[in-house]
Amino acid sequence: DADVTQTPRNRITKTGKRIMLECSQTKGHDRMYWYRQDPGLGLRLIYYSFDVKDINKGEISDGYSVSRQAQAKFSLSLESAIPNQTALYFCATKQGAGGGELFFGEGSRLTVL
Amino acid sequence: DQQVKQNSPSLSVQEGRISILNCDYTNSMFDYFLWYKKYPAEGPTFLISISSIKDKNEDGRFTVFLNKSAKHLSLHIVPSQPGDSAVYFCAGNNNAGNMLTFGGGTRLMVKP
Repeated sequence: DADVTQTPRNRITKTGKRIMLECSQTKGHDRMYWYRQDPGLGLRLIYYSFDVKDINKGEISDGYSVSRQAQAKFSLSLESAIPNQTALYFCATKQGAGGGELFFGEGSRLTVL
Repeated sequence: DQQVKQNSPSLSVQEGRISILNCDYTNSMFDYFLWYKKYPAEGPTFLISISSIKDKNEDGRFTVFLNKSAKHLSLHIVPSQPGDSAVYFCAGNNNAGNMLTFGGGTRLMVKP
């Protein structure tokens, strides 16, 4: 089983619908992140959380919200999806501060029609 | 304004030759740089990193060079293998903000 699991892996939805992407991890890491990948733009940070009571906005948080339900779970919500939120979304985890690596899930591909 | 730029969206090299992937950055607060590799339908995986106080780090076939005065780093893969074909992302770590900022990626194709 993957250490960082994302569900669903693929989702097609319509404009205006509410969507939730879920992430769970078994690594025991304290920090969790949501990124989106768009061609040519790399990975851009949406939200991040250093522990259950700490939530921070990333560079592109508009239109998104998150919930850290437990240390191991971090979900991303699109309250009213729009077509330009069509992208590949990645959850990642990290232990502590400093330059250590992020561990990524396999991604959730979201298409908003 | 992109703080980390990978100006070559793609690179094609012959098996056995050297692959050089480049990355430029603007944020002087980056204290650590990382390279990630991504295969289709998978998440990015960590490849190699370098601290801002060093100018070179080597791990097997992979070497990362950092030129702080030019705000430039490069990843060398020698010799290149077909299994190295993937998208490569460089990232800068801002320890003050505790986040990684990624470049746009370079797609490497190694031809047999």
